[in-house]
Amino acid sequence: AQSVTQLDSHVSVSEGTPVLLRCNYSSSYSPSLFWYVQHPNKGLQLLLKYTSAATLVKGINGFEAEFKKSETSFHLTKPSAHMSDAAEYFCVVSGKGSSNTGKLIFGQGTTLQVKP
Amino acid sequence: ETGVTQSPTHLIKTRGQQVTLRCSSQSGHNTVSWYQQALGQGPQFIFQYYREEENGRGNFPPRFSGLQFPNYSSELNVNALELDDSALYLCASSLGTENYEQYFGPGTRLTVT
Repeated sequence: AQSVTQLDSHVSVSEGTPVLLRCNYSSSYSPSLFWYVQHPNKGLQLLLKYTSAATLVKGINGFEAEFKKSETSFHLTKPSAHMSDAAEYFCVVSGKGSSNTGKLIFGQGTTLQVKP
Repeated sequence: ETGVTQSPTHLIKTRGQQVTLRCSSQSGHNTVSWYQQALGQGPQFIFQYYREEENGRGNFPPRFSGLQFPNYSSELNVNALELDDSALYLCASSLGTENYEQYFGPGTRLTVT
């Protein structure tokens, strides 16, 4: 079975300071991992994805994530937060196996607050 | 290129009623997946449709059913609505059943009273 755990339900940073959103995953297969962002009253937008190529993945809006197999982690980072980054962030693992192929498995989400 | 669209945006129903939600996939995408997002939770996979057939289902009862049409658009039907069905319902489209890069619509907010 596959699952993800987002270690923080809420993260607060000041504008211009680094962002770190933590995610651990569990998968008996080689996983595909994603980060999605959801702004209020908007749909989910793909920030970045890892699909067994480079372990450091660059996404949109300056976000990056590093796949660490030994730590089963896929943490999301950004060097400098902007006010527009305030949103809900979801770490996602691909479902694999006969009953899970094609399915995305979401974490509970981390609310990012950016203070001026 | 047209993105994923969903209708209606909001819906209020009474317990026991039935509801139909609609989704148009992104141009060129042949696979549609549906997710339920309860307040304060991550989305949960309901089912996926490919070539007009259900291709995988999450832990949802049979009163959740769907359809996919030849133009790849899709419907989600929920019978005998319960209060706990109140949620944001998200549709996502992709190219192929094992393409995990799914593109989401804005969702339909369903409230059951």
